[in-house]
Order: sequence, then structure tokens, then C-alpha cells
Amino acid sequence: GESVGLHLPTLSVQEGDNSIINCAYSNSASDYFIWYKQESGKGPQFIIDIRSNMDKRQGQRVTVLLNKTVKHLSLQIAATQPGDSAVYFCAENMGDTGNQFYFGTGTSLTVIP
Amino acid sequence: DAGVTQSPTHLIKTRGQHVTLRCSPISGHKSVSWYQQVLGQGPQFIFQYYEKEERGRGNFPDRFSARQFPNYSSELNVNALLLGDSALYLCASSLGAAWLNTEAFFGQGTRLTVV
Repeated sequence: GESVGLHLPTLSVQEGDNSIINCAYSNSASDYFIWYKQESGKGPQFIIDIRSNMDKRQGQRVTVLLNKTVKHLSLQIAATQPGDSAVYFCAENMGDTGNQFYFGTGTSLTVIP
Repeated sequence: DAGVTQSPTHLIKTRGQHVTLRCSPISGHKSVSWYQQVLGQGPQFIFQYYEKEERGRGNFPDRFSARQFPNYSSELNVNALLLGDSALYLCASSLGAAWLNTEAFFGQGTRLTVV
């Protein structure tokens, strides 16, 4: 069946290093993707999004890359800070399904001071 | 400005009971979506409501139902609770029906424990 999955369930990085979180998706009909950050005890928080007609999108310290050929999505965080420690989810949406998003299992990012 | 408000924050119920969870969207937002997040997993879509009409339903049994009120607040109801219904229930509000054109904001969720 269709699924959104993550390659690594956990990731530890040194403060100041760059982080890369990966996500694989299998639904070729998905045309919109969002990365979320979820801190303990809180709801998911929007980080950055990308449409399927784009390969790359940059925000403040974050970049999302989309490779439709291999159905792969990645989130790059520059100069990782302790406050970046959280679980990160990618979510995919088929344009005709409104707010019905499929979330991956998540990657737990730990920033080591 | 108040964000998405969910109540209660925590809840303990017994198997077989019924539960009602509530969500107040951000002022001006007309769409509410409900997600279930089991511990250690990503959120799973349950329902979306826009302008008081159901716009989408995930793969959940009929024990799950929801509605949206004229003020755009929403309730999620679960009947005949099972142990497997224990989860964090998240509500997300957005201005429009499709997140493609508008950012959605999640509440902090209701932690439901079924014993």
C-alpha cells in the first residue's frame, strides 16, 4: 500500500553542525509535502512545505529537497541548535484530499551541546 | 491571539465508555481536522470539517464521529472505547479547506487513556 516512511528513527548531532532528516514516500500522486516539528507535549508545528513542481525550497535555517524520481524528501537544518531537538515528521498530501495528510513515523533529533 | 484550543488536556476512560473531545479553532479559521497520534507514531487522519460539512474521513470505524458547529468549533466523539483508542488526539485549524494554500495550526492535543 501507499506509505510515508523515514529512513532513520533517531539522529544525534553536535550543536552547530548541519542536520539532514530523510523521508521516503511511495504515492506518486502526492503533490504537496510538509515538514513538521513536534516537541514533547506539544502538537506538530509547521516548519516548511514544498509542492511537487519544485525541487528545493529554503526557509530560515531550513531547506527541503524533493526528488520525485526516487520519491525522496529531505529536511536540512543548518547550524543545529539545542532548541531543534524534537521529533520531525514529513507529511504528504494528494491535492484532491483537502487536509487529509499522511504522516511518516518520525525521526527523533537530539542536539548534543 | 489564542491558538487552537483543545479540551480536556488529559482524560482517562474505561473500556466501553464514550468520550467527547473538543476543539476551538483559531479565530477566523473555518476548517478543523482531527488526527489520532498513537505513541511513537505519526498522526493519522480521522476527519476534516469545513463550513460545518464533512470534507474527508480517514480509515476509522464508525465508533468515531465528529461535527462542526456554527462558530466553527468541533467535537470528536468516540463510542465503545477500546484500549487501542488510547492516543493523543490532535485538532488542526486552517483558514481554508486545503492546506495547500493556507497554513494549518495544530493544538496541543488531548491525551486519552483507556483502561
